[in-house]
Amino acid sequence: QSVLTQPPSVSGAPGQRVTISCTVSSPYIGAGYDVHWYKQLPGTAPKLLIYANINRPSGVPDRFSGSKSDTSASLAITGLQAEDEADYYCQSYDSSLSTWVFGGGTKLTVL
Amino acid sequence: EVQLVESGGGLVQPGGSLRLSCAASGFTFSNYGMNWVRQAPGKGLEWVSYISSSSSTTYYADSVKGRFTISRDNARKSLYLQMNSLRADDTAAYYCARDRGVTGRNWFDPWGQGTLVTVSS
Repeated sequence: QSVLTQPPSVSGAPGQRVTISCTVSSPYIGAGYDVHWYKQLPGTAPKLLIYANINRPSGVPDRFSGSKSDTSASLAITGLQAEDEADYYCQSYDSSLSTWVFGGGTKLTVL
Repeated sequence: EVQLVESGGGLVQPGGSLRLSCAASGFTFSNYGMNWVRQAPGKGLEWVSYISSSSSTTYYADSVKGRFTISRDNARKSLYLQMNSLRADDTAAYYCARDRGVTGRNWFDPWGQGTLVTVSS
């Protein structure tokens, strides 16, 4: 079981806003560690979406935003579009094991 | 353009070995740590291993520790993963990914297209 917990699925209609949560269950992933988000389309490699909690790489639309507290992080997508349908993963670092961890992934369905 | 291209995947019997490669281009390879991440069919992402830019530091997931070895050749701009004592649950797409940021705050970008490893008799 991952120390980062995501809902298995979320859905929304085109134009709506959805959020994907990433809950931290390890005391070793806390205020001092960042959460990052990736988008994965079927049959393709993951692609960076948000880094260091709130930052968007060049080319990522501002419809995507991230936030983080000590015990959770969230990815928000506004103005939902068909091409947003994908799997989304959060990622952080577990200092107790010196390992990097991913959430279980959330499948976003655009209705 | 920053690019990572994996190779070396294939079908291997349980207990066998395989060596994956990742060829880097478009950036100064020797300046970056590198990672391997895998994804079993229909499953989520699992971080496998990390190597620092100078090869001085390596980390492994518990699931592969003692069986897998990460290495790199900065002159050849290549990353490797030697996989021994392979098991059925090692079956996955293996991605190499460049490390960004500082340890504890780092993220992976970009990723290669992946190479599929199938462990089966």
